[in-house]
Parts: sequence; structure tokens; C-alpha cells
Amino acid sequence: EPEVTQTPSHQVTQMGQEVILRCVPISNHLYFYWYRQILGQKVEFLVSFYNNEISEKSEIFDDQFSVERPDGSNFTLKIRSTKLEDSAMYFCASQESGPGNTIYFGEGSWLTVV
Amino acid sequence: AQRVTQPEKLLSVFKGAPVELKCNYSYSGSPELFWYVQYSRQRLQLLLRHISRESIKGFTADLNKGETSFHLKKPFAQEEDSAMYYCALGTTGGFKTIFGAGTRLFVKA
Repeated sequence: EPEVTQTPSHQVTQMGQEVILRCVPISNHLYFYWYRQILGQKVEFLVSFYNNEISEKSEIFDDQFSVERPDGSNFTLKIRSTKLEDSAMYFCASQESGPGNTIYFGEGSWLTVV
Repeated sequence: AQRVTQPEKLLSVFKGAPVELKCNYSYSGSPELFWYVQYSRQRLQLLLRHISRESIKGFTADLNKGETSFHLKKPFAQEEDSAMYYCALGTTGGFKTIFGAGTRLFVKA
């Protein structure tokens, strides 16, 4: 069964450094998402991406964050200058058809900012 | 505002006992409701969605628009049901799915 894959599974970075989290969505999916889960807290929506542009973003997704689909298969989340509070599990997800349908999640990338 | 509320952070039941995980939502439009489950060391995965009206692993959930609820139920809990359960709201016309805070179900032997 096709799966959403994410790399790296775990990254430790120093505060202020740039981080890129990578995702390969399921190949025929059209909608892509990043979610975040801080340890012990709930899964939070960050951003959705469709037709090569951001569809919706949350208040968490400030200017430090950006997303890109550089080559038609990868979907990346960049954090420009990491802060301690960016430490979290970041989940990539994809969806075949429109909102309201099943979302398929990757296993997550655990980011630790020190 | 769109919101999903799961009032219980932890639910502990004995094996064979009935279980109900509560979920209430707030949304002015026509909601799409889901239950996602996360077993230990595994990814979030869909358990069931209201529109399909099916039973997965013995779990069912009925959308009650009057009470704005979508509680998850199973008549006889099994140890392998121990996991984190998230209720989620998909908004038609929007581009995000909103998750509740989650309920950790612990089924004791």
C-alpha cells in the first residue's frame, strides 16, 4: 500500500539554524499538508498546499516557515531560523481528493532544537 | 469558529468492557468527521469516517448533528485497542482538518 514517507525521522539542530523537512506524498495525491505535534500536546494544523500554492495556513505558520514542492514529488517544510519552541514532531500528510476526505500521514519527523 | 473537543485525556477500561470516547465539534457548515488512531510507535491512521458508516475493528461512531457529537464506541474493548485516538473535523470548502486534543485509551487485562 502506498505510504507518505518523511525524512529525516529525527533531527537535532541548534537554535537559529535552518531546517528542511522532506516528504514524499502518495503519488496520485493532490493535496498536501504539514501538521505539528509538540510533545504532550495535540496535533496542530500548519499549512495546506494545492495546485502549487498555499491554500490555507494557521497562525503558527509565520514568516519563518515556508513550503515548497520543488520537483513534483517532494514536498518540503523549511524553518528558516529555528527556535526552541519549534521542537516538535512534524507530520506530512497527503490527500487524493478534496478537503473532507481521508488524510494519509507520514510517520513524522522529530525536530529537536537545542 | 471550528473546534473539536475531546473532554477526556485518558480513558482506562478493563478488557471486555464497553468503551466510549467522546467527541464534540463546533462548525457552522456541513461537517466531515473522522476518528484517527495512533498506536504506539506508529503513524496516525484513519480509523473511520462518519460518511462511510462502517465498523472498523469493532468500533462505530454516529454523527449526531443535534448534539454536535461524534462519539466513538466499542462494546467489548481489547488490549490491542490501547492507543491514542483523535477526533477530527474536515471542513468542506476549507483546506484543513482540525484535530481534537486526543484521548489515550488504556485497556487493562
